Amino acid sequence: KQEVTQIPAALSVPEGENLVLNCSFTDSAIYNLQWFRQDPGKGLTSLLLIQSSQREQTSGRLNASLDKSSGRSTLYIAASQPGDSATYLCAVRGGYNTNAGKSTFGDGTTLTVKP
Amino acid sequence: DGGITQSPKYLFRKEGQNVTLSCEQNLNHDAMYWYRQDPGQGLRLIYYSQIVNDFQKGDIAEGYSVSREKKESFPLTVTSAQKNPTAFYLCASALAGSTDTQYFGPGTRLTVL
Repeated sequence: KQEVTQIPAALSVPEGENLVLNCSFTDSAIYNLQWFRQDPGKGLTSLLLIQSSQREQTSGRLNASLDKSSGRSTLYIAASQPGDSATYLCAVRGGYNTNAGKSTFGDGTTLTVKP
Repeated sequence: DGGITQSPKYLFRKEGQNVTLSCEQNLNHDAMYWYRQDPGQGLRLIYYSQIVNDFQKGDIAEGYSVSREKKESFPLTVTSAQKNPTAFYLCASALAGSTDTQYFGPGTRLTVL
């Protein structure tokens, strides 16, 4: 059964700092990995999607990497801003003995960026 | 505007009642999903459907039921058999297949009185 872990559970940084969020998964036979942002009481907003054949994706100040063989992904946020404060979730699609239609989510990292 | 809508935003249920949560999308997506989120936790898959008139159980389907009679609609019924239904429920859709981005609705918060 696919399991996804996100470390740390919470992170507080001063504005302007570069930071890295981590996501690890147990089964490497995935189709893709997706990073989401969730504001309190809201739905999820997709940030980046990395297909299994890709190593990284970039969007603005965000860069996500994927290392399937080690079961790891990182989300790098450059020059953090208070507006980046939110919970960040990663989700992997598929895995050994897992239907391709299923995604498994981590518990998220709650980020606070202080002005 | 294209997107996913969920209604109601807040729902209160008395013990022993069945309630139905609505999810509609106008993105012409084939796949739709229902997730449950408890405080401080990630999302857990309840049911998903990859095509009209077909759906599969997720990891926590007990006490829930769904239907997929139309491509754009995927309602979730929380039955009285669900012992701890108080949670935040999220609906999502994807174009098709295993490589596509999931798009989420704004969620419904269900509280059992």
